[in-house]
Amino acid sequence: AQSVTQLGSHVSVSEGALVLLRCNYSSSVPPYLFWYVQYPNQGLQLLLKYTSAATLVKGINGFEAEFKKSETSFHLTKPSAHMSDAAEYFCAVSEGGGYNKLIFGAGTRLAVHP
Amino acid sequence: DTAVSQTPKYLVTQMGNDKSIKCEQNLGHDTMYWYKQDSKKFLKIMFSYNNKELIINETVPNRFSPKSPDKAHLNLHINSLELGDSAVYFCASSHPRGDSNEQYFGPGTRLTVT
Repeated sequence: AQSVTQLGSHVSVSEGALVLLRCNYSSSVPPYLFWYVQYPNQGLQLLLKYTSAATLVKGINGFEAEFKKSETSFHLTKPSAHMSDAAEYFCAVSEGGGYNKLIFGAGTRLAVHP
Repeated sequence: DTAVSQTPKYLVTQMGNDKSIKCEQNLGHDTMYWYKQDSKKFLKIMFSYNNKELIINETVPNRFSPKSPDKAHLNLHINSLELGDSAVYFCASSHPRGDSNEQYFGPGTRLTVT
């Protein structure tokens, strides 16, 4: 069965510092991996996705993530945090195209301090 | 243009009542989903429909009944509401013929049962 583990339910960084949000997955088939962001009282917005093409994936708002099969990881990074990055971030895994559901991690709340 | 829309955005009701949440997508997608986000922000799939046909039903109480009048709409009807049904419900859609299961989410409906 597929699963996602996000290490750290809360991450706090200073503005301008590196953002690193950790995600490890479990899947019996080559996975499709996603990072979504949820701002307060809003829906989920796709940041980026991995679909077996390039292992380093660039997304919106300066975020990127690297797929590492040997570590079963898909960590999200951003070189320099901005106040507007404060939000809840969700990593998700899917078995791929078709009708498959997304399995979400528990989420990581990112706080950015001035 | 709104891609995935839900109504209402907020719903406050008493235990035992019956209520519906509506979802519409104008993306031309064939597949639609309902997810539940609990008070701890955990997201879990409830249902999925493809071209009006139910394809995923995740051990959800039968008080919850999805209905898809056409592939652009997926409504969620809940009978005999209970306190534990309080959550944010998200509708999503995707195109199954794509190379991944990238899902687009609506803004959510916050249901409060008193």
